Amino acid sequence: AQTVTQSQPEMSVQEAETVTLSCTYDTSESNYYLFWYKQPPSRQMILVIRQEAYKQQNATENRFSVNFQKAAKSFSLKISDSQLGDTAMYFCAFMKHRAGGSEKLVFGKGTKLTVNP
Amino acid sequence: DAGVIQSPRHEVTEMGQEVTLRCKPISGHNSLFWYRQTMMRGLELLIYFNNNVPIDDSGMPEDRFSAKMPNASFSTLKIQPSEPRDSAVYFCASSPTGGLSHEQYFGPGTRLTVT
Repeated sequence: AQTVTQSQPEMSVQEAETVTLSCTYDTSESNYYLFWYKQPPSRQMILVIRQEAYKQQNATENRFSVNFQKAAKSFSLKISDSQLGDTAMYFCAFMKHRAGGSEKLVFGKGTKLTVNP
Repeated sequence: DAGVIQSPRHEVTEMGQEVTLRCKPISGHNSLFWYRQTMMRGLELLIYFNNNVPIDDSGMPEDRFSAKMPNASFSTLKIQPSEPRDSAVYFCASSPTGGLSHEQYFGPGTRLTVT
């Protein structure tokens, strides 16, 4: 079974600064996907960024980027130029590959990020 | 596109009552997932369907929980009888066939409180 660990229950950062959220996972699968989801107080789950395990290049989406270390089974999220709207719970999630469709997501416990003005 | 629709958004019921949560996936999506979020256990999968067929129900806690997907545009999650420990936020998510991103699109969730 796969497990996802987020070791930082809470973090805070000043507006405009950079913050990195940690995530490690355990799997015997060779082909899989990793995701970061954001959950603001509205509780809506919003996809922030995704990474395919077969790709060596780290994914980037505007101010969000990841550091994917496959051998170390590490998948950290870096948020640059933090904004007040980034305040939310952030969940790291694992999905094993299934041809033709989506599989279940396995989530970490989450990191509560607060961006301070 | 309206996104994934869940109803009701909030449900308060008494222990022992039957509760039915509803989900309408995004049109054209062929996979549907039910997740539960609690403070103690975080986000966990209850069950998922592919082409209306249940594929993995290993997360369904016990026989009090049942889920159906009678057609491609509707699914229900039923709890009978409900217990206070069932209090949680229940999310429905859908995903398209053959999508390269394998992204799951979440509904707004149903907050269930059992007193």
